[in-house]
Amino acid sequence: QKEVEQDPGPLSVPEGAIVSLNCTYSNSAFQYFMWYRQYSRKGPELLMYTYSSGNKEDGRFTAQVDKSSKYISLFIRDSQPSDSATYLCAMRILGGNRLAFGKGNQVVVIP
Amino acid sequence: NAGVTQTPKFRVLKTGQSMTLLCAQDMNHEYMYWYRQDPGMGLRLIHYSVGEGTTAKGEVPDGYNVSRLKKQNFLLGLESAAPSQTSVYFCASSYLFSDRRTSPHEQYFGPGTRLTVT
Repeated sequence: QKEVEQDPGPLSVPEGAIVSLNCTYSNSAFQYFMWYRQYSRKGPELLMYTYSSGNKEDGRFTAQVDKSSKYISLFIRDSQPSDSATYLCAMRILGGNRLAFGKGNQVVVIP
Repeated sequence: NAGVTQTPKFRVLKTGQSMTLLCAQDMNHEYMYWYRQDPGMGLRLIHYSVGEGTTAKGEVPDGYNVSRLKKQNFLLGLESAAPSQTSVYFCASSYLFSDRRTSPHEQYFGPGTRLTVT
């Protein structure tokens, strides 16, 4: 079993819809939880970051971490065509120098 | 600042040929990483370095070698390319890790190198 599971299936939504993405993980030592956004033919860029449990909101984006369930989520409200990208979850343990990545979800927002 | 740059952007190799991918960063980062990204497989760590002169194996190191002779450069070598090494290769760098809650240990990625081995 991989440390981080992210169903890589593509997701198509109409403009204005809520996008919901999630990852599960098996390593209870993970303390840092990140979402990277990757546009087509570009490198990933950090979108949001959460330490330990809880929610974090940044504009239209909300990241949630439920450590009891080993489950993290990313919500995109009022989705825009410019949100079309691949979203990868990533995690790190305390003191670790490597990230464990999910496989990524390709999101397409249709105008 | 240019950030993380990768050379070349595209390359086609024949089976058995060798090549070196160059990664350069101008952010004075201690850590550097090489990943490969394949459809449905996500990012997989090949090798990484925690400082000049050091390297370590990642998740999928076989068939690759690396060197970090200068802090700002990290080279990935393929000695005898195989079709299974057809992929998009990303280099990344980051600061020395910190466990302050405000520090996510963000990795900064380059634009990628698309390699095809025929």
